[in-house]
Order: sequence, then structure tokens, then C-alpha cells
Amino acid sequence: DAGVIQSPRHEVTEMGQEVTLRCKPISGHDYLFWYRQTMMRGLELLIYFNNNVPIDDSGMPEDRFSAKMPNASFSTLKIQPSEPRDSAVYFCASSLQGTLRQPQHFGDGTRLSIL
Amino acid sequence: AQSVTQLDSHVSVSEGTPVLLRCNYSSSYSPSLFWYVQHPNKGLQLLLKYTSAATLVKGINGFEAEFKKSETSFHLTKPSAHMSDAAEYFCVVSDRGGADGLTFGKGTHLIIQP
Repeated sequence: DAGVIQSPRHEVTEMGQEVTLRCKPISGHDYLFWYRQTMMRGLELLIYFNNNVPIDDSGMPEDRFSAKMPNASFSTLKIQPSEPRDSAVYFCASSLQGTLRQPQHFGDGTRLSIL
Repeated sequence: AQSVTQLDSHVSVSEGTPVLLRCNYSSSYSPSLFWYVQHPNKGLQLLLKYTSAATLVKGINGFEAEFKKSETSFHLTKPSAHMSDAAEYFCVVSDRGGADGLTFGKGTHLIIQP
């Protein structure tokens, strides 16, 4: 089992640039989640998908953030334009369809630094 | 509404001594409760989960947790700490079965002294 795969692991870019984070969920999982982790705010749910359809994006901070899931094996989180306050670790997680009391499986994260 | 409070931001124990990480929750329904561990530069890994079966739950790496409804607690314990246990631990509650029903605690940083 390959687990959830995120890329890149680290990203450093200047403010104003577009940033794209990528995620491959575990094969067969129907739910995909994007989280952001910072020291100040802890772990925050940004958006989640069920069967490739966005269900709840209320955690997305503002219009500069967007997420897509074009197929069951791939998702992107895009920030355009990026700002220094977007610096954080971004995690992708997936889980099996069901009651969602199923545990979520996390990737190793993308550490994003906006200069 | 649901919430979870991890009572200690940092816990320090000596290697070989017991570990206790405290978690209290509030929930309008019958909750599911999870403990996750995060090692440096890694994602969160599930340690154990409670979903209304046995109240004493055993997880990986010798950890266990006891669900106490009367105290609204789900404390994580381990009889003997190992250096490899040093990490961040998160208590998570879900009471509606929906993804937006997942609430993460702020985390407890476990330090193991040699």
C-alpha cells in the first residue's frame, strides 16, 4: 500500500507567485481532504471531496485558494497569488467511503514558504 | 457542536516511565474519538480509535486509551515510554459521521528524557 503521496515536499517561492500542491490518495478511497497546519492555528480543514466532487470548502481562507479533483487518483490545491501568511504545512488525507468515522490516512505534507 | 481539549501542550517523561496524555471532549451525539501521532516532518498517523465498542481501546506501539463518558475524557496512556515515542499527539472527535464533524485538538508535544 503506497499511502497518500504529496508533492512537492518543500516549496519556497516569492509572494505573488502561483503555487500548486499535488496529492495522490490511496487507491479505492472515496474521500479526499486538504488541511493546513500552522503553529498559531493548528490543523485546519480547508476543503474535502467525495467521489471527486467538492463537498465543503468553507475552510478555504479566501478566493486566492482553489482546489480541484479531476479524477479519483489526483487532486491539486492552488494558491494564486501567494502571500507570506500562506506559509504553512499543507496536508492531504484520504479515507474510505462510509460514515466517515473511518480514520483518515495522511500524506507527509508539503512545507510551503512564501518569501 | 463538538470540541476537544488537550489539557497539556507539552508533557515530559523519562524513558521507561508511564505516559499520560489528557483529552476531554464535548459532543451532542455519540462521538467517535481518535488519537493520531505526528513525528517531525511527517503526516499524522492513526494510533487508535473508539467507535462505540469496547471502552478500552488498544492501539499501535503499546498505546491505549479509555473512553469515559461520565468524565467526557479519552486519555491516552502507555506503561513505559520509549525514545521513539517523542512526537506530537492529537486527539480528534467526530460526532456526526461527516467530514466537517472532525475536530482536532491543538496537540500535545511529548518529550522523552533519557
